[in-house]
Amino acid sequence: QVQLVESGGGVVQPGRSLTLSCAASGFTFSNHALHWVRQAPGKGLEWVAVISSDGRTKYYADSVRGRFTVSRDNSKNTLVLQMDSLRVDDSALFYCARGNGDPPRHFDYWGQGTLVTVSS
Amino acid sequence: IQLTQSPSSLSASVGDRVTITCRASQAISSSLAWYQQKTGKAPKLLIYGASTLQSGVPSRFSGSGSGTDFTLTISSLQPEDFATYYCQQLNNYPLTFGPGTAVDIK
Repeated sequence: QVQLVESGGGVVQPGRSLTLSCAASGFTFSNHALHWVRQAPGKGLEWVAVISSDGRTKYYADSVRGRFTVSRDNSKNTLVLQMDSLRVDDSALFYCARGNGDPPRHFDYWGQGTLVTVSS
Repeated sequence: IQLTQSPSSLSASVGDRVTITCRASQAISSSLAWYQQKTGKAPKLLIYGASTLQSGVPSRFSGSGSGTDFTLTISSLQPEDFATYYCQQLNNYPLTFGPGTAVDIK
């Protein structure tokens, strides 16, 4: 069965960096675009970034462009989100999600999320 | 593209018919999905392409609309349906979600 498992969350000071990973299994990883979505505590969903199936095309939300970098390793079935210059308002539960189709028609599988807390 | 949802919250009883609307700031054809999220859980896909029911989702859920105005309907609310519902547009990057509609027990 399809599984997405995020890791790498934790507590970090403002201005520092953190790297999140998403390990995928149960499907042909290299056939799917993958997305990051975040949710601040008690708030709604915010789309963060996408990377195409071959890793060549990436898009970002305005709020993270220039600070976050999405990448993938199709040989290891792993998605990565490098987060630099973190701010307090980046604190959130970060989900990876599988896009169905490219352009995507929907997100059909989601991980359980990894929590990032940015605090001094 | 901004999405608005109404109402932001509602109270309903088991068996009620519930309707949630989602409006896009510009036309998005039928590139809209609906998700259900329960507390402490990841979102779950309900509807995509504005009206296509995801496999395994009960038929009491339905979606309609195109362009800028969309609707999610639950024909007969069940206890397990109390949750927050989000619409999402997939017509253009950056993708966006609506602010959510919380459905709770009256």
